[in-house]
Amino acid sequence: NFMLTQPHSVSESPGKTVTISCTGSSGSIASNYVQWYQQRPGSAPTTVIYEDNQRPSGVPDRFSGSIDSSSNSASLTISGLKTEDEADYYCQSYDSSKWVFGGGTKLTVL
Amino acid sequence: EVQLVESGGGLVQPGGSLRLSCAASGFTFSSYWMSWVRQAPGKGLEWVANIKQDGSEKYYVDSVKGRFTISRDNAKNSLYLQMNSLRVEDTAVYYCARHRLGPYEGADYWGQGTLVTVSS
Repeated sequence: NFMLTQPHSVSESPGKTVTISCTGSSGSIASNYVQWYQQRPGSAPTTVIYEDNQRPSGVPDRFSGSIDSSSNSASLTISGLKTEDEADYYCQSYDSSKWVFGGGTKLTVL
Repeated sequence: EVQLVESGGGLVQPGGSLRLSCAASGFTFSSYWMSWVRQAPGKGLEWVANIKQDGSEKYYVDSVKGRFTISRDNAKNSLYLQMNSLRVEDTAVYYCARHRLGPYEGADYWGQGTLVTVSS
């Protein structure tokens, strides 16, 4: 079964840049789109990146997504960190008609 | 404005049943794949099931196959999840989510979730 692995947690200071990785267990992560969701405590997830690197309207351009086929991984990069970016972030892709989620990364902005 | 509103959660004993509903508005419901995603307390997101626009294709995570049934009523703009033989490990917040495009795409809209607690 295809799995996505994320770091459990990352932390960085306001104004800095942080990158969250999402590594595919097999095959090519580039074969299917990767999405990234932000989930603040007590709230439903919201989409911050879709189709690997596309931002929905309303998501600031501080958020960007990329794919690295050499490491079979996707990345979410957040620049100019703000305290409001503190949240859990999940990557998601697709395998055999089913969504697959990474385990989530807790971003602390301190 | 796209809205997804879940209902039907609650406390149920192990072995019991529950039917979740998701009322959709603000878009042409019959044009979109839909999914249910759950989140156990303090845990990550887990996809549960999805359904094609006309209900002709349905897929489930292995842990709920044979126990849960996803369905939809396009005339009522509603998505459902019938949950039978519930287990303690099914305790979670259940979200309905709209696929951005086809089955290969992720979610673009999520409901606020409904809590299901399975406990004796």
